[in-house]
Amino acid sequence: DTAVSQTPKYLVTQMGNDKSIKCEQNLGHDTMYWYKQDSKKFLKIMFSYNNKELIINETVPNRFSPKSPDKAHLNLHINSLELGDSAVYFCASTGTDGYTFGSGTRLTVV
Amino acid sequence: AQSVTQLDSHVSVSEGTPVLLRCNYSSSYSPSLFWYVQHPNKGLQLLLKYTSAATLVKGINGFEAEFKKSETSFHLTKPSAHMSDAAEYFCVVSEEYGNKLVFGAGTILRVKS
Repeated sequence: DTAVSQTPKYLVTQMGNDKSIKCEQNLGHDTMYWYKQDSKKFLKIMFSYNNKELIINETVPNRFSPKSPDKAHLNLHINSLELGDSAVYFCASTGTDGYTFGSGTRLTVV
Repeated sequence: AQSVTQLDSHVSVSEGTPVLLRCNYSSSYSPSLFWYVQHPNKGLQLLLKYTSAATLVKGINGFEAEFKKSETSFHLTKPSAHMSDAAEYFCVVSEEYGNKLVFGAGTILRVKS
C-alpha cells in the first residue's frame, strides 16, 4: 500500500528518557513534515524537510531533532523527555496531489 | 501570516438535520483551503480542498464547502447528518510558499440520535 507509515503507534515513556519516532513514505514525495497535536487537539507544524534538507523549523525546543537519511524517511528524536511533550505526533508528506498524513504516534510521558 | 478561525468549538445536531461548521480565514494572497476530519483516536482524513477553481467544493461523505472571498469564509456543510459524522473537524489554510499548513482550533461535531 502507498502510504505514510509511522512507528510506533503508541509510546509510553518516563521523563528524562530519549526516544525516537520513525516515519517512512513510499509515495515518491520530496517533502516531509512533523506536526504536533497537543492535548487540546491543536495541530501545529514542527519541521519540514525537502529532499533531506531542512526547510521549516518552527520554534521547537532543541531537544527535538529531526533526521532525514533520505527523502523517503523523516525521523524525530526527542531528548530528555518532559511531561509537556505528551501529544500526538503526525508525520506527513506532500507531492503534486497534496498532503498525505500518517496515522499518528501517541506519545505519553509519565 | 495566514490564519483560520473556527467560530464554534462544539456543534451538536440531530441525525438527519443539516450540518454547518463555520470557518473564517485570513490571508494576504489567494489561499488554498482544506477541511480535515479526525475521528476519535484516528488520523487526519482530507474531506475536501479549495485551490482557486470552483468556489463550491464537493468532498467525501456528502460534505461541501463554499469559498466566499468577500466574507473570507469557507464554511463546511452537509444536508443530512449521520451518526458516523461525529468527529472533530479542522479548517486549514496553506501558506503560499513552503506548503506549510495552518490549522484552526477544531470543531467537535456531535450527532444525536
